[in-house]
Amino acid sequence: ETGVTQTPRHLVMGMTNKKSLKCEQHLGHNAMYWYKQSAKKPLELMFVYNFKEQTENNSVPSRFSPECPNSSHLFLHLHTLQPEDSALYLCASSQDGGGQLTYNEQFFGPGTRLTVL
Amino acid sequence: GIQVEQSPPDLILQEGANSTLRCNFSDSVNNLQWFHQNPWGQLINLFYIPSGTKQNGRLSATTVATERYSLLYISSSQTTDSGVYFCAVVGSGGGADGLTFGKGTHLIIQP
Repeated sequence: ETGVTQTPRHLVMGMTNKKSLKCEQHLGHNAMYWYKQSAKKPLELMFVYNFKEQTENNSVPSRFSPECPNSSHLFLHLHTLQPEDSALYLCASSQDGGGQLTYNEQFFGPGTRLTVL
Repeated sequence: GIQVEQSPPDLILQEGANSTLRCNFSDSVNNLQWFHQNPWGQLINLFYIPSGTKQNGRLSATTVATERYSLLYISSSQTTDSGVYFCAVVGSGGGADGLTFGKGTHLIIQP
């Protein structure tokens, strides 16, 4: 595998289900991100992890729970979602230099298209 | 937070035409990227260009950071260039480390 991979590519779930999205990066990066793209809003940042520490939670509802066990893997745990949460969920990674002045290129996975019934 | 505006929102051209897509941003930036989103949703990196000019084949980009805009040029358009083009930035004003995206330019290249 190369680049950033995401599984599953498509997911249909009911509002009472619990599911997880998985992201893996094979680029040796140390920062990972979750983004959401819905039909009604532009691409928006959800979470940022630098060196496995969550540094950003962009006012995301608690029914979305991220987990970053190491610098190569990122999960998004989903529970009691609403139909309006149906969207394309994109994962990205970058190499963070560890200082405030380093903002390197981000690379995206293919996304998970989520439908909540 | 930082605001990103892209224009035009929609653009329809004939194959072989040239096009210019614009991205305006409201504050100074540490990162600016251009992406092409294909019909399956994949974001394809075109340029990482917080300042200066870069070229890659038929595509080139220029960012004038002091005037807070970036331009993406596509020459000799092909039907495979169709899709949505996004500009995204990381502002330097102490906000989020992730990218803030514009709403995109939907480009259609007709044969």
